[in-house]
Amino acid sequence: KNQVEQSPQSLIILEGKNCTLQCNYTVSPFSNLRWYKQDTGRGPVSLTIMTFSENTKSNGRYTATLDADTKQSSLHITASQLSDSASYICVVSAGGNNRLAFGKGNQVVVIP
Amino acid sequence: NAGVTQTPKFQVLKTGQSMTLQCAQDMNHEYMSWYRQDPGMGLRLIHYSVGAGITDQGEVPNGYNVSRSTTEDFPLRLLSAAPSQTSVYFCASSYSRGPNQPQHFGDGTRLSIL
Repeated sequence: KNQVEQSPQSLIILEGKNCTLQCNYTVSPFSNLRWYKQDTGRGPVSLTIMTFSENTKSNGRYTATLDADTKQSSLHITASQLSDSASYICVVSAGGNNRLAFGKGNQVVVIP
Repeated sequence: NAGVTQTPKFQVLKTGQSMTLQCAQDMNHEYMSWYRQDPGMGLRLIHYSVGAGITDQGEVPNGYNVSRSTTEDFPLRLLSAAPSQTSVYFCASSYSRGPNQPQHFGDGTRLSIL
């Protein structure tokens, strides 16, 4: 069964600090990996999409990395802001039909 | 440009009742899908459509029906509501089902079945 595991489940960080979220997957064959941000009470919003050949992609203060050999990805948040408080969801697309496998999310709380 | 619009935002039903969750997108996207999000679980695919007149089952289709008569609309019908269907339902769309197409999500319908 295709699985996507995220860690830590939740974390609290001080405003202005950096943090890194982890995503490990067993999806095969791999097509692409996505990170979404989901604010409380809202739908997920796409941050990045990375294919097999890409190992890093940035979107403002968000930088995603991908190691397709070890099947690991990370999302780094630089100089966190209160608006970064959200759940961050790792999603892996599998095979020819691009069926998506969703992680449970990393819950991030930024405090002043 | 409204994106993906879901209605209603909240709904409470009694066991056995039926209802339709509405989803509309104004981006001329071919691919649309319905997910449910439950505490402690990732989003799970219920049904999807690759274009008008074409629908298919996802991971958890039982108890739900869909139809796609237009490109813009993709309603989800609960045939006979059960407490296990209490969840947050998200509709999503993308230009196609291609590998690099980001999905655009609505803000969800929060459904409680008593």
